[in-house]
Amino acid sequence: SQQGEEDPQALSIQEGENATMNCSYKTSINNLQWYRQNSGRGLVHLILIRSNEREKHSGRLRVTLDTSKKSSSLLITASRAADTASYFCATDAGTSYDKVIFGPGTSLSVIP
Amino acid sequence: GAVVSQHPSRVICKSGTSVKIECRSLDFQATTMFWYRQFPKQSLMLMATSNEGSKATYEQGVEKDKFLINHASLTLSTLTVTSAHPEDSSFYICSAASEVSYNEQFFGPGTRLTVL
Repeated sequence: SQQGEEDPQALSIQEGENATMNCSYKTSINNLQWYRQNSGRGLVHLILIRSNEREKHSGRLRVTLDTSKKSSSLLITASRAADTASYFCATDAGTSYDKVIFGPGTSLSVIP
Repeated sequence: GAVVSQHPSRVICKSGTSVKIECRSLDFQATTMFWYRQFPKQSLMLMATSNEGSKATYEQGVEKDKFLINHASLTLSTLTVTSAHPEDSSFYICSAASEVSYNEQFFGPGTRLTVL
């Protein structure tokens, strides 16, 4: 079964608003990653946050990690139409350092 | 970041034929490569983990005789879908990781397979 679960499954916002996506997982992890995928395209790596980190920033992206709740959030501030994409969290499997398991993803639509 | 390529980007084939998809790491040596499958509007499902010079490790429910994986060098892994059927139509994505990249995987652009 998949390790991560995202919510919401779909999110529609106006340009300029902030978008928050959440991810929950089931087992202990070494790190959690967020990826973006434009329709029918490959994946773009956004951020990797390690289990001993609580927050990380990259440009307009802010990722938090709460290992006690086994959850993470991705915040995109001042969204743009170009941010329209699917966003996935991915966690290592816990027992194998290399294997990465993806959550079901959140489909974000930013309306101009 | 590191570059991973896939070839072909799109392939259409007849039912019963075999299709080979290549995954190459262009500027680094990938000790491990991963193959994922993604159906429309769904997430990526890991199919197998491929280590150079050894047999691939397949995820539960993935038929190793149907999805043949060869990782003959540190820069190339191939996935062959044997006797493809329409239900095998999907988006196949590979990723590559190296000891240097730690746990970050670099993804290829994907291959769209359509089986008629």
